Amino acid sequence: EIVLTQSPATLSLSPGERATLSCRASQSVRNFLAWYQQKPGQAPRLLIYDASSRATGIPARFSGSGSGTDFTLTISSLEPEDFAVYYCQHRINWPHTFGQGTKLEIK
Amino acid sequence: EVQLLESGGDLVQPGGSLRLSCGASGFMFSSYAMNWVRQAPGKGLEWVSSISGNGVSTHYAESVKGRFTISRDNSKKTVYLHMTSLRAEDTATYYCAKGMVHSYQVLDPVDFDYWGQGTLVTVSS
Repeated sequence: EIVLTQSPATLSLSPGERATLSCRASQSVRNFLAWYQQKPGQAPRLLIYDASSRATGIPARFSGSGSGTDFTLTISSLEPEDFAVYYCQHRINWPHTFGQGTKLEIK
Repeated sequence: EVQLLESGGDLVQPGGSLRLSCGASGFMFSSYAMNWVRQAPGKGLEWVSSISGNGVSTHYAESVKGRFTISRDNSKKTVYLHMTSLRAEDTATYYCAKGMVHSYQVLDPVDFDYWGQGTLVTVSS
């Protein structure tokens, strides 16, 4: 089973700042890496798939990069609605596991 | 507009059984894999099970293998999760999620582009 490790566990930033979230895989997942956003009491929402492709309706301030074992989700300028928990997930094989999440909180 | 609506969550005793349902609309249901993902209270996301569009191929997380069964009825645009031998650690909100790409026969891991709002399963005496 591939383990995805996200860092940091919690990230405290202010609106307007740049956020950089990391996801590291225990073995290569090529570019088969997705990012999801989850707000309290809501279902997750797909942000990024195939490491760098934005899902439908996702603002351009969200971008993804990386391949192999190291991936990054960047939010260029934080909006108030971006404070949430973010999860990465691979789909290279079964089980397609999730990372443990990074909580992005308002500083 | 794609919509997924889960139902069937309840309080059940350890060792008991429960069947979750997820009704879909807004897309060609039989062309896409469907999936169940759960989230224990205050915890992260855990993939549970997936089923191909034609209902023939399935996959399960090790934690539920042999106890949970995923199925679908394409005529009703509904996917099910039949859960047996329930344990306290199965307590979670269960989400139904649509696979992102066409997957009628072959079942590969997919990203989840649409999610329902979830249904809560509580296993407790």
